[in-house]
Amino acid sequence: GQQLNQSPQSMFIQEGEDVSMNCTSSSIFNTWLWYKQDPGEGPVLLIALYKAGELTSNGRLTAQFGITRKDSFLNISASIPSDVGIYFCAGSTGANSKLTFGKGITLSVRP
Amino acid sequence: SQTIHQWPATLVQPVGSPLSLECTVEGTSNPNLYWYRQAAGRGLQLLFYSVGIGQISSEVPQNLSASRPQDRQFILSSKKLLLSDSGFYLCAWSELAALTDTQYFGPGTRLTVL
Repeated sequence: GQQLNQSPQSMFIQEGEDVSMNCTSSSIFNTWLWYKQDPGEGPVLLIALYKAGELTSNGRLTAQFGITRKDSFLNISASIPSDVGIYFCAGSTGANSKLTFGKGITLSVRP
Repeated sequence: SQTIHQWPATLVQPVGSPLSLECTVEGTSNPNLYWYRQAAGRGLQLLFYSVGIGQISSEVPQNLSASRPQDRQFILSSKKLLLSDSGFYLCAWSELAALTDTQYFGPGTRLTVL
């Protein structure tokens, strides 16, 4: 079945640094989504991408929908302690289809 | 604006006891509804989804069942809980008629089976 690959499982950065996360697939997706989950809470949608090549920003976050439609990346600039959490990518093949999730990357930010 | 609620927030139940988790959505009509389980330190596993009242699709054979008695209400149940049912249960919704599949999650229910 379809799988989304996120690696590494954990990332450790210093406050103020930029960080980039990739999400790759062997299958084509028509929608890419990035979520952040804080401990004990539900995932919150950060950025949604609907078109190949699309580059979208949300504050210090920037995400891109890969041209091949098999990958996406999320950049966080000038990290702050509240960026700590688990970042999930998710993809969809079409309207009303189920989402496929990556296993998530746990981000730690050292003050 | 749309909001999604889950109840209860946390639950501790003995093995063999029944379970009922509730999810309600406000501010939208005819949503797709989903139940996910997240084991500690792991990703999201889709358990059930529903495209309408009384319409339930199961993804994984298991000890759980789901029901949708009203348009914006989704219930996750079990007759007899197992230890392996422990986890973080998330409800999500998406717009039925949208051309996208963006899902929005509720706050979750932490279930511990002892």
